[in-house]
Amino acid sequence: GAVVSQHPSRVICKSGTSVKIECRSLDFQATTMFWYRQFPKQSLMLMATSNEGSKATYEQGVEKDKFLINHASLTLSTLTVTSAHPEDSSFYICSATRLLQTNEQFFGPGTRLTVL
Amino acid sequence: QKEVEQNSGPLSVPEGAIASLNCTYSDRGSQSFFWYRQYSGKSPELIMFIYSNGDKEDGRFTAQLNKASQYVSLLIRDSQPSDSATYLCAVNGGSGGSNYKLTFGKGTLLTVNP
Repeated sequence: GAVVSQHPSRVICKSGTSVKIECRSLDFQATTMFWYRQFPKQSLMLMATSNEGSKATYEQGVEKDKFLINHASLTLSTLTVTSAHPEDSSFYICSATRLLQTNEQFFGPGTRLTVL
Repeated sequence: QKEVEQNSGPLSVPEGAIASLNCTYSDRGSQSFFWYRQYSGKSPELIMFIYSNGDKEDGRFTAQLNKASQYVSLLIRDSQPSDSATYLCAVNGGSGGSNYKLTFGKGTLLTVNP
């Protein structure tokens, strides 16, 4: 149990376009979902925390108008990178926690974004 | 700002040896400590977590926590080539009221040589 999926696994887009990444909890209801970004040879940096039905909480330095997060249901959160630029190329990973087990995060497989 | 420090490595050990990975953290109020393994190009996978001072063993892995020294370690016994990966230390809890948010170290690259 506690499987998290992400789609797509890999995306290449042109500069200036928007890209949507989906994060789904497949066999549990996720009370909270997290979005991380990881640049090569760097650690995971938390971008934002989202709870179903409420606005996401962004970490300092993360532009909320550029990285739009929608957590419409207890099993789905989406991250939209708007007007993507080459510096947004990164590995985006989501994670989720479930009710009564909020201390453990279950990670999705990640999405590799390349902006040309 | 919370910080989690790890030696970046690479740490190289021969097959069958014990690999020792170390991590220190800055927030004395941190409550939970996690070790993740990350293969290149993949997302992290949880190896184990520890909350209390002392040792916690799970198969070939042993986590050690010393809150007084703000230090947590991971020992891998009988290291296998398949253990070659980056090991991430993560911490949550503590100050700021964000008990569930993880702060990650940069990771230690472990290479187990056959």
